[in-house]
Amino acid sequence: GAVVSQHPSWVICKSGTSVKIECRSLDFQATTMFWYRQFPKQSLMLMATSNEGSKATYEQGVEKDKFLINHASLTLSTLTVTSAHPEDSSFYICSAIKQGSIKNQPQHFGDGTRLSIL
Amino acid sequence: DAKTTQPTSMDCAEGRAANLPCNHSTISGNEYVYWYRQIHSQGPQYIIHGLKNNETNEMASLIITEDRKSSTLILPHATLRDTAVYYCIVSTGNQFYFGTGTSLTVIP
Repeated sequence: GAVVSQHPSWVICKSGTSVKIECRSLDFQATTMFWYRQFPKQSLMLMATSNEGSKATYEQGVEKDKFLINHASLTLSTLTVTSAHPEDSSFYICSAIKQGSIKNQPQHFGDGTRLSIL
Repeated sequence: DAKTTQPTSMDCAEGRAANLPCNHSTISGNEYVYWYRQIHSQGPQYIIHGLKNNETNEMASLIITEDRKSSTLILPHATLRDTAVYYCIVSTGNQFYFGTGTSLTVIP
């Protein structure tokens, strides 16, 4: 299998605090991970591409200083929402591609983190 | 990446085949067609992908037209647990840009 785990699955915090979300590939190594955001009744929106050992590549319109991504190992990427505000409340989902995969292998998704900022 | 067009919603009777269409008329030669589904409040689940040949696995079949401008995902015997939003994505294998998908409802 190819299992991707996210933690926490649900978090509520006060406005102004920073929140860290972890994304782990449990049974494979991933050189590339992706972070998405999904608002209610909308589709997934790609936020950034995270490559192990290098800086993340952010999609247009995504604030890199607001959404800090670290991919320090082949099994872990973290997304930190800094100084979170109510408009950052959303469903955050990560995905990963197996290291050494032949081209065009699918992304494997985690079950998401629901973030609510009060 | 190429844009995809899918019907907003579809219904299917339980036990019957569900055929979900996807148009991707601007697909390029090195882009694959991927299908995922998302059940409410969960992450997307991989179903199947292909380049130009038809593909089949334990979950579904993927039929890609010869000109590759459209494809159809077939769930051979739909169950209530197949109720979900189905996304068709074309990609070279890196970034995925999700469209609005098709909300499939399987009716008892």
